[in-house]
Amino acid sequence: AQKITQTQPGMFVQEKEAVTLDCTYDTSDPSYGLFWYKQPSSGEMIFLIYQGSYDQQNATEGRYSLNFQKARKSANLVISASQLGDSAMYFCAMRESNFGNEKLTFGTGTRLTIIP
Amino acid sequence: NAGVTQTPKFQVLKTGQSMTLQCAQDMNHEYMSWYRQDPGMGLRLIHYSVGAGITDQGEVPNGYNVSRSTTEDFPLRLLSAAPSQTSVYFCASSSGDIYNSPLHFGNGTRLTVT
Repeated sequence: AQKITQTQPGMFVQEKEAVTLDCTYDTSDPSYGLFWYKQPSSGEMIFLIYQGSYDQQNATEGRYSLNFQKARKSANLVISASQLGDSAMYFCAMRESNFGNEKLTFGTGTRLTIIP
Repeated sequence: NAGVTQTPKFQVLKTGQSMTLQCAQDMNHEYMSWYRQDPGMGLRLIHYSVGAGITDQGEVPNGYNVSRSTTEDFPLRLLSAAPSQTSVYFCASSSGDIYNSPLHFGNGTRLTVT
């Protein structure tokens, strides 16, 4: 079974609109962390936002927020007021400690294109 | 701030050749890892290390070796390159609590095996 599922291979969004990128996860570990990364066309991996499994509130970082629904095992990324520079691949990832074996598992990504 | 440094940026190998991808970090991070990125498959974990002298296999370890003799360095060795190892390779490190420590990535190595 996939640990991290991103069901949107590609999305097109008008500039200045908000966009939600979907991510669902699967784990039996009660303690885990969820991360979102951005990969622009230049190739580097840029950390955006983090959510811990015990966090009571949804994480926010500037225009980025994470809609964390623990019971549904979803951790969607919301980008408000999208900009042309937001065009990139976006990866959801989960970090869990499986009896001391720490692993970070990535989804297959969503390619976001912002239309002017 | 150097962060995570990967060398080389690009490499072309012939089938059967061996090589080492270098990774160094200057943040005193205990955790280091290697990923490969292939189109449509996201990033897949090859090997990781939770500290000097400790390594473990990830999702796709076959054909690769690692060692961790120091906190700073985590080289990835391809013993006998195969075309299936054509990929972009990322080294990453992090510190502290696994639940709130993001990975810091190097800029990647693009490897082509002919």
